[in-house]
Amino acid sequence: AQKVTQAQTEISVVEKEDVTLDCVYETRDTTYYLFWYKQPPSGELVFLIRRNSFDEQNEISGRYSWNFQKSTSSFNFTITASQVVDSAVYFCALSEAHNQGGKLIFGQGTELSVKP
Amino acid sequence: EPEVTQTPSHQVTQMGQEVILRCVPISNHLYFYWYRQILGQKVEFLVSFYNNEISEKSEIFDDQFSVERPDGSNFTLKIRSTKLEDSAMYFCASSQGTEAFFGQGTRLTVV
Repeated sequence: AQKVTQAQTEISVVEKEDVTLDCVYETRDTTYYLFWYKQPPSGELVFLIRRNSFDEQNEISGRYSWNFQKSTSSFNFTITASQVVDSAVYFCALSEAHNQGGKLIFGQGTELSVKP
Repeated sequence: EPEVTQTPSHQVTQMGQEVILRCVPISNHLYFYWYRQILGQKVEFLVSFYNNEISEKSEIFDDQFSVERPDGSNFTLKIRSTKLEDSAMYFCASSQGTEAFFGQGTRLTVV
């Protein structure tokens, strides 16, 4: 069965701190995709990244970076030098390859609060 | 940039009434989805739709729910007789086969 666990329900940091959001997943498939989405207070889901199971290279995009470790089934997300605008709920999600990237299993989400 | 569009952004309905939530997926996408997010909870898969039929549905998607692609552009979710517990944000998504693009969501409030 597929499952995504985000153990951190809420995180609060002060602006400019680095913060890492944890994500652990379970799947029996060998081919799958992992995602991170941001949900700001306005409610929409903003796509941040997609990673396939064969690509374990870490990725950096500006202040965002992702660490994918198949050995521990983790796909953690780090925000460097956090800003108030980063305050949102962040969801990690898993999709098995046969689902065309669309049927996602979401984690519970981590609510990040960045204080000035 | 192409986007998934959902209407209305907010709908209030009385318990027992039927509601139709509308979505216009990205035009060259072939796979369509509905998700639900009860306030403060995670986003849950409801149903996927491909080639004019349901390809998969979750346990949540019971007989009171139905989906349709009536005219080749719209993709609708109908809730036949709403209950209080149907109050949630409903997200439509479409995919070309790699990643899903989500609409802005429709907040449904059942009173």
